[in-house]
Amino acid sequence: GQNIDQPTEMTATEGAIVQINCTYQTSGFNGLFWYQQHAGEAPTFLSYNVLDGLEEKGRFSSFLSRSKGYSYLLLKELQMKDSASYLCAVKDSNYQLIWGAGTKLIIKP
Amino acid sequence: GAVVSQHPSWVICKSGTSVKIECRSLDFQATTMFWYRQFPKQSLMLMATSNEGSKATYEQGVEKDKFLINHASLTLSTLTVTSAHPEDSSFYICSASDPAGGSNEQFFGPGTRLTVL
Repeated sequence: GQNIDQPTEMTATEGAIVQINCTYQTSGFNGLFWYQQHAGEAPTFLSYNVLDGLEEKGRFSSFLSRSKGYSYLLLKELQMKDSASYLCAVKDSNYQLIWGAGTKLIIKP
Repeated sequence: GAVVSQHPSWVICKSGTSVKIECRSLDFQATTMFWYRQFPKQSLMLMATSNEGSKATYEQGVEKDKFLINHASLTLSTLTVTSAHPEDSSFYICSASDPAGGSNEQFFGPGTRLTVL
């Protein structure tokens, strides 16, 4: 079966750095996405990785290792508004998005 | 660019009635649209994938006669929840993509919160 694993919840301090991990087992791979979702709102796109390595976009970076079936989202200089759920999703061989359950990130002052 | 709208943003209805939710891509042509359902504190669950001009593909366990999907144009898809019951109360989110435009990204609508009394 297809599976995406990410931690259920993480807590970090304002101004610090946090890394949210995602491991996947899917039938084929056509890219990995990270989305941010605030409570009661729809997800918003953060990043897309299809090749191994690090993609940096401002305070957010995403890393992919296809051989390990592993990705992480790195958030720097955390702000209170970063409190949200972070969803990892993988596009499989049928180009269908398989979603993780999301990681709820709690930022404390 | 790449804005997706949904209407209504929230709806309350009586059990047994039908509710239609619209999903529109405002500034691009969405050859493919996706309908998701999300229960509180749970992840997105894909209900169906619709391609413009063809029948929707439903995920296992989703009743196609209960959740009617129409994708008649490149900018509009509708989801009709027929004979809604309280267990259908959920957050319904659509997303749209345009693979022909070279983008892998799905653009999400703001969601529709359905409450069935």
